[in-house]
Amino acid sequence: QKEVEQNSGPLSVPEGAIASLNCTYSDRVSQSFFWYRQYSGKSPELIMSIYSNGDKEDGRFTAQLNKASQYVSLLIRDSQPSDSATYLCAVLMFSGGYNKLIFGAGTRLAVHP
Amino acid sequence: DGGITQSPKYLFRKEGQNVTLSCEQNLNHDAMYWYRQDPGQGLRLIYYSQIVNDFQKGDIAEGYSVSREKKESFPLTVTSAQKNPTAFYLCASIARDRANYGYTFGSGTRLTVV
Repeated sequence: QKEVEQNSGPLSVPEGAIASLNCTYSDRVSQSFFWYRQYSGKSPELIMSIYSNGDKEDGRFTAQLNKASQYVSLLIRDSQPSDSATYLCAVLMFSGGYNKLIFGAGTRLAVHP
Repeated sequence: DGGITQSPKYLFRKEGQNVTLSCEQNLNHDAMYWYRQDPGQGLRLIYYSQIVNDFQKGDIAEGYSVSREKKESFPLTVTSAQKNPTAFYLCASIARDRANYGYTFGSGTRLTVV
């Protein structure tokens, strides 16, 4: 089982719709979770972080965390063509005194006009 | 402005050649990381370092080497033992006590074997 799993997509949504991206993780003790956006050929850009169960909203983005189900999601409201990118889920893991961020394979989102 | 600088942006390697990718940060971050990304895939951890003169192997360290002689610098050498080095390489850093805030990434180096 991979440590962080995402559906690779592509997820295609019409402009103005809600895009829903999902991620599951294997390490039950993980406490910090992140969503990065990556445009083709560019480095990842942090868009959301979440640490507590429930929802966290920032503009058009909402991150949702359910630690019991080991599940984290990202909702993008009023999707725009500029949101078309790959979205990477990342989980901060602590082992042997070291922090390391483990990434999923990413979900490609395509927003069409 | 503070940030992470990776160089070069593009690098071409001949078969059997060692090449070194540069990563420099002026953010005063303790921890630095190297990731590799293949097309359509996520980031895989190669090496990481939390303090000067100390580093740890990640999930795919074979064929790579690193050094951490200065806090600001964490160069990655891709050796001839790495049989499939063509990929996008990303360097990241974080203040050790601020890992919860997420990593800052450099702009990446795209390595191609010719």
